[in-house]
Amino acid sequence: ETGVTQTPRHLVMGMTNKKSLKCEQHLGHNAMYWYKQSAKKPLELMFVYNFKEQTENNSVPSRFSPECPNSSHLFLHLHTLQPEDSALYLCASSQETGKGSSPLHFGNGTRLTVT
Amino acid sequence: GQNIDQPTEMTATEGAIVQINCTYQTSGFNGLFWYQQHAGEAPTFLSYNVLDGLEEKGRFSSFLSRSKGYSYLLLKELQMKDSASYLCAVRDSDYKLSFGAGTTVTVRA
Repeated sequence: ETGVTQTPRHLVMGMTNKKSLKCEQHLGHNAMYWYKQSAKKPLELMFVYNFKEQTENNSVPSRFSPECPNSSHLFLHLHTLQPEDSALYLCASSQETGKGSSPLHFGNGTRLTVT
Repeated sequence: GQNIDQPTEMTATEGAIVQINCTYQTSGFNGLFWYQQHAGEAPTFLSYNVLDGLEEKGRFSSFLSRSKGYSYLLLKELQMKDSASYLCAVRDSDYKLSFGAGTTVTVRA
């Protein structure tokens, strides 16, 4: 089993749909993250969880709703999205936040297309 | 906000050396990371610098100058498989990691 697994790999949804992205990490880490990656733009941090507690919400619209039931699982619930939300959504984990040398380990991402 | 700049694209020949520069302006500093991302895949961790100087890992080396807000990633003996996007990321005083837009390196035969 690879370190960080994301499902689905691809998702096409209409603006009125509700869907969820799932992330699971098998590294024993305590921090998990959602990033948005759009073409030619820097990765944008969306949410951070440390020991299951949300520590960062980077001014993300409420149509994105994260959930972290335990340190190994992270979800991103989507509803009434806009076409500009189409992007690659990357999940990552690290030992914990507040540890400078701890790198992020990323999943392969979910390619989201909003029609 | 944080500002991290790196070139958009670079092209080099197989067997050659390429240097990818990264300059940053952040609120505090707790380390700089380089990641490699192949198309359609996850970014993977390459290197970490927190002190000034050069860190060498096989064909890849990373350099940091904190006083200049500058880093570079050096790729030696380029191989076709090194064609990828290279991301520079800086951890600030709040331990948040901010990324540059990435440098796409194309290796030609």
